[in-house]
Amino acid sequence: GESVGLHLPTLSVQEGDNSIINCAYSNSASDYFIWYKQESGKGPQFIIDIRSNMDKRQGQRVTVLLNKTVKHLSLQIAATQPGDSAVYFCAVGDSGAGSYQLTFGKGTKLSVIP
Amino acid sequence: SQTIHQWPATLVQPVGSPLSLECTVEGTSNPNLYWYRQAAGRGLQLLFYSVGIGQISSEVPQNLSASRPQDRQFILSSKKLLLSDSGFYLCAWTRGGPTTEAFFGQGTRLTVV
Repeated sequence: GESVGLHLPTLSVQEGDNSIINCAYSNSASDYFIWYKQESGKGPQFIIDIRSNMDKRQGQRVTVLLNKTVKHLSLQIAATQPGDSAVYFCAVGDSGAGSYQLTFGKGTKLSVIP
Repeated sequence: SQTIHQWPATLVQPVGSPLSLECTVEGTSNPNLYWYRQAAGRGLQLLFYSVGIGQISSEVPQNLSASRPQDRQFILSSKKLLLSDSGFYLCAWTRGGPTTEAFFGQGTRLTVV
C-alpha cells in the first residue's frame, strides 16, 4: 500500500522568509496530491492540490511542486507570516485503484519566528 | 456552499460508557463520508468510510462502529469506551467518485477517563 512521509517533523523559519515543506510517497501510481494546514485543535484545511499531469501549481503565496520521477512533493510558502504557524500535511491518492481514501503523511509543524 | 458540522468539540467520558459522535454535511448530496482518528504527532488514521446510506467500510477493527442513517449524516459510536479510545476524531467528506479533496470538520477531542 501507499506510504507517505515528511522529511522533517518540525521547521522553524523567520517571518518574511520562504518556507519549504517536503513529502515523499511510495506508490508510483499515485495521481492526486493535496496539502493541508491544521491549526491546533482544529480540523485540517485545504491549501492546494495538484494532479499528476502537472508538476507545478501556484496559489496565493503557496506553490506545490511535484516530482514524479523521485516521488516527491513540496509545498513552498512565500513570505511566511506568523499566521502560517501550523502543522502541514500532505495527502496522496490513487484514482486508478478505485480507492475512496487518501493516504496522509504525519505532518510537519511549522513555527514562524517573529 | 458545502459545510460540514461535527459535534461535540470536546468530550470527557468515563471508561465503559457509550459514545456517539455526529457529523452532518450540508450543501451536497451523496457524499463519501469518513471518520479519522488523529493521535498526537501522528498522521490521520482512517477508521471508517461510507459511500452511501447504510454502507460502511471499516479500516481498523476495534472498539468503535459507524453508521450512516441518512445521506448526509455519519455517526461514530461505541458501546463501551476504552482508555485507548482517547484521541482527536475528525469527520470528513469528499465528492463521489475517485479520490478528490477531503473537507474536514473541526474535530472532537475525546478524553476517556
